Amino acid sequence: AQKITQTQPGMFVQEKEAVTLDCTYDTSDQSYGLFWYKQPSSGEMIFLIYQGSYDEQNATEGRYSLNFQKARKSANLVISASQLGDSAMYFCAMFLWGYGGSQGNLIFGKGTKLSVKP
Amino acid sequence: DVKVTQSSRYLVKRTGEKVFLECVQDMDHENMFWYRQDPGLGLRLIYFSYDVKMKEKGDIPEGYSVSREKKERFSLILESASTNQTSMYLCASTFGLGDSSGNTIYFGEGSWLTVV
Repeated sequence: AQKITQTQPGMFVQEKEAVTLDCTYDTSDQSYGLFWYKQPSSGEMIFLIYQGSYDEQNATEGRYSLNFQKARKSANLVISASQLGDSAMYFCAMFLWGYGGSQGNLIFGKGTKLSVKP
Repeated sequence: DVKVTQSSRYLVKRTGEKVFLECVQDMDHENMFWYRQDPGLGLRLIYFSYDVKMKEKGDIPEGYSVSREKKERFSLILESASTNQTSMYLCASTFGLGDSSGNTIYFGEGSWLTVV
């Protein structure tokens, strides 16, 4: 069964420090994409970063990087130099490209609530 | 700008009523999704569709049905609303099969449904 696991319901980080949010996934499909989304208290979903299953380099987008370890099926999000505005819920998600009977499935983890302390 | 529009932001319905939640996207996306979001449970997939008239059950389809008669529109139907369906419902869409690089998912603003 396809699954995303985020084991940290809540985390605290000091402003300007780096933080890692954990995400592990489970699928037998070979073609998939991994996403991280941020959801502030306003409720909108903000795209942060994407990693394709065939991408050999770890994805980076500004202060966000994705530590992709395919053999371990993990896709941790690293936020460098945390800011107060980073306080939000963070969701890891997996999109399955459809080879192997899971066409077009997009599943999310339960999320991690990050709080940045001044 | 890509847009995913959900027809209603806030609804209050009575137990037993039939409820329709509409989602429309303007980017010709093949894939569309309906989730409900509850505190501590994240986004749980109700149904998804990868093409017109195609639908697949997600993790929690019970009590819901969907309709996709046109590519741009994906409707979620609560046949007989119950209080445990009080939640925030989120629609999303994305491109289909093919080059996965640079893909992203587009979300609607959410529909807050209260069943009394």
